Amino acid sequence: EAGVVQSPRYKIIEKKQPVAFWCNPISGHNTLYWYLQNLGQGPELLIRYENEEAVDDSQLPKDRFSAERLKGVDSTLKIQPAELGDSAVYLCASSPREGVDTGELFFGEGSRLTVL
Amino acid sequence: DAKTTQPPSMDCAEGRAANLPCNHSTISGNEYVYWYRQIHSQGPQYIIHGLKNNETNEMASLIITEDRKSSTLILPHATLRDTAVYYCIVRVASLTGGGNKLTFGTGTQLKVEL
Repeated sequence: EAGVVQSPRYKIIEKKQPVAFWCNPISGHNTLYWYLQNLGQGPELLIRYENEEAVDDSQLPKDRFSAERLKGVDSTLKIQPAELGDSAVYLCASSPREGVDTGELFFGEGSRLTVL
Repeated sequence: DAKTTQPPSMDCAEGRAANLPCNHSTISGNEYVYWYRQIHSQGPQYIIHGLKNNETNEMASLIITEDRKSSTLILPHATLRDTAVYYCIVRVASLTGGGNKLTFGTGTQLKVEL
């Protein structure tokens, strides 16, 4: 079974440029998460989707960050314009909705963004 | 969700047991203890979780104190591939799955050496 797939793995851009990250969750997983991980820190939740609905986006900086999950499968996270402080790893995770909650999230390998 | 405290780093000799402690003195009665690990340049990986009984799976054992204020993750025979950051997280479980919000701390960097 394929895991959570993210692309690109690495992205280098200049400040003020836009950037987008793509995530394909595990098949059948209704819940999708975007996390941000700064160097030396644990991941921090940006947004959580239940199918196509964003049910928790309180930590998403809405002035420059946006996300979508059309059709409740793939998701895209966008930053426009990027700032130097956005350099980090952006992690996508998914989990099944039905059944007993095991608390298990399945993470992708992440997309490492460097803003110059 | 309750806050956790972990040592920033630990070393372990290969083949020996690695015992990673976690303090969660403000844990509530309905909060579970979860452990994840993150190998360098990879996403976090689920290891194990428990409420109050000790738990064991193919990866590790979880020992929770009777008062539930602390726990220990045990890797019985650590290998070089177990070198990673280990995160202890407490959260309320949700049967709908929608409550799967994990709040990560900075974790413990475990280094397994020859």
